Amino acid sequence: AQSVTQPDIHITVSEGASLELRCNYSYGATPYLFWYVQSPGQGLQLLLKYFSGDTLVQGIKGFEAEFKRSQSSFNLRKPSVHWSDAAEYFCAVGARTGTASKLTFGTGTRLQVTL
Amino acid sequence: NAGVTQTPKFRILKIGQSMTLQCTQDMNHNYMYWYRQDPGMGLKLIYYSVGAGITDKGEVPNGYNVSRSTTEDFPLRLELAAPSQTSVYFCASSYSPQDQETQYFGPGTRLLVL
Repeated sequence: AQSVTQPDIHITVSEGASLELRCNYSYGATPYLFWYVQSPGQGLQLLLKYFSGDTLVQGIKGFEAEFKRSQSSFNLRKPSVHWSDAAEYFCAVGARTGTASKLTFGTGTRLQVTL
Repeated sequence: NAGVTQTPKFRILKIGQSMTLQCTQDMNHNYMYWYRQDPGMGLKLIYYSVGAGITDKGEVPNGYNVSRSTTEDFPLRLELAAPSQTSVYFCASSYSPQDQETQYFGPGTRLLVL
């Protein structure tokens, strides 16, 4: 069965600083990988996804993520964080099982941005 | 398109009461999902559906029931509410076959069982 680990529960960065959120996955085949963001009291919004091809994927709001098969990682990055980026970030791995594709989520990383 | 909508936004239930969480999507997606989110635990899949009339259990189905009579609607039923079902519930949908894996989420229903 697939699994996702987000080792950082909480991260604080200053506005304008760079950001990297870590995600490690476990899956036997080529994974489908996702990053979602959840603002307080809101649902989950898709930031970006990796299915195949270029291992560096660009998403919305200036985020990018790099798939590294050798490290089983899919870390999320942003060169300059804005105060509005404060939210919870979830990494997920998707896998086809039976008739449907199912997502397995990590436990999330809460990002705090200081001014 | 409204996307995925959920009602109610918030509900308080007494132990033993029942209720139905509503989920509707207007994207003509075949696949729909129900998750629960508990603090520090990420999202856990409760049930999913691959089309009208077809549903299957996810990781944590106990205490819940679902039905899928139309493509648009996927209600989640709690028959005998328990404090352990206090959580935030998210409905999601995805499109098959080209992009089945990308799921789009509703705003959630916060449920408190006392």
